Amino acid sequence: GNSVTQMEGPVTLSEEAFLTINCTYTATGYPSLFWYVQYPGEGLQLLLKATKADDKGSNKGFEATYRKETTSFHLEKGSVQVSDSAVYFCALRSSNTGKLIFGQGTTLQVKP
Amino acid sequence: ETGVTQSPTHLIKTRGQQVTLRCSSQSGHNTVSWYQQALGQGPQFIFQYYREEENGRGNFPPRFSGLQFPNYSSELNVNALELDDSALYLCASSSHDGGGRADTQYFGPGTRLTVL
Repeated sequence: GNSVTQMEGPVTLSEEAFLTINCTYTATGYPSLFWYVQYPGEGLQLLLKATKADDKGSNKGFEATYRKETTSFHLEKGSVQVSDSAVYFCALRSSNTGKLIFGQGTTLQVKP
Repeated sequence: ETGVTQSPTHLIKTRGQQVTLRCSSQSGHNTVSWYQQALGQGPQFIFQYYREEENGRGNFPPRFSGLQFPNYSSELNVNALELDDSALYLCASSSHDGGGRADTQYFGPGTRLTVL
C-alpha cells in the first residue's frame, strides 16, 4: 500500500544553518506530495505542495522537488531561523482517493 | 475568508462515554476529512465527507461515525470511548475536484480529546 517515510528526528540546527529533511514515498499511480508544518499546540499548516514529477514547491524560503525516479520529496531551506522550530510532516495524496497519508513527522529545533 | 474552525478545543471524557466533535469548513469548500493524531505520530485518516455522504474511510471501527450538513460543516462521533482514543482530532476542508478526489486540504486547530 501507499506509505511515506521521513528521516528520524529530532534535527537540531543553529540559526542560519542549511536544512534538509528527507522524505521518500511508496505509491501506485501519480500521487500529489505535500509538506505540512505543526507548531506546538496547533493544527497543521500547509507549507508547500507538488502535483507532478519534477514540480518544485516553495514557500517562505522552503523548497521541495518531486522526484519520481527516486520517489522522494526532500524539504530544504537555505538558512533556518529560530521561528522555524516545529514538527514537519511529509504527506501524499494518492491519485485515486482523497485521503492524505502522512509520515511520522520530523521535529526541527533551531537554536540561536 | 474564514479558515477551518473546530470545537471544542479540549475535552475530557471517561471510558465508555460518547463524544461529538464539530468542524466548520473554510469558505468555498465542500469536502471535510477527519484525522486522528496520537501523541508523537502523524495524522491517520478516519473518513471523508462530500455531499453529506461518506466518501472514503480509513481503518477505524464503526464506533467512529460522522455527519456532514448542508452548509458543509461536519461532526465526528465516537461511541464507547476507549483509552486509546485519546488523541488530537483534526478536521480538514477542501474542494472536491469532480474527479473523485479532494483538492489541497486545509486543517483546523484540532480538538484534544483525553479519555480517562
